[in-house]
Amino acid sequence: EAQVTQNPRYLITVTGKKLTVTCSQNMNHEYMSWYRQDPGLGLRQIYYSMNVEVTDKGDVPEGYKVSRKEKRNFPLILESPSPNQTSLYFCASSIRGALSSSYNSPLHFGNGTRLTVT
Amino acid sequence: KQEVTQIPAALSVPEGENLVLNCSFTDSAIYNLQWFRQDPGKGLTSLLLIQSSQREQTSGRLNASLDKSSGRSTLYIAASQPGDSATYLCAVGGSQGNLIFGKGTKLSVKP
Repeated sequence: EAQVTQNPRYLITVTGKKLTVTCSQNMNHEYMSWYRQDPGLGLRQIYYSMNVEVTDKGDVPEGYKVSRKEKRNFPLILESPSPNQTSLYFCASSIRGALSSSYNSPLHFGNGTRLTVT
Repeated sequence: KQEVTQIPAALSVPEGENLVLNCSFTDSAIYNLQWFRQDPGKGLTSLLLIQSSQREQTSGRLNASLDKSSGRSTLYIAASQPGDSATYLCAVGGSQGNLIFGKGTKLSVKP
């Protein structure tokens, strides 16, 4: 089954303890991205990747790191989490990024990771 | 900076009604526009994607239009059903791969 898989689904941690949220897709998609969703603020893009070894900042990259060493995986790293990073996080992928005009490229989303930082 | 606005924030309609959801954006230099559906506690499901060169896309009872010059898109839902109840989000894509979301319209279709 074609899907985007995020782990874990729920995570409670303490301030300053490094964590990684994994994201994996099995559709051979080039484009992957991370979002956070907060009440009243909607969905905001954290980082995105047009292909392997290519990453760019979205609207709210502060406090986050990403890497794209292989096509299927795009982990989100919080080196020193803080309470203001408590949020619902989504990973998404599509066939191509916006620079390609060859495809309709709808985004496929994972089921989300609810992170609480105390 | 691109801003995306969705009005209304919430909408309640009786079953069977045709309805229109609105999305507006401030910068017309977009690459594409997507409409998504989000059910409570779930991820987003892509409904329709319109490339910047297109005017509309249709899928079943859904029709999305795009007017870049006026910075507007609409999502038309025909013959609404209770199963259509969800939050509908639009997102504007830039040529560099960035994506800006509106805050969504929460739709409730009453039986």
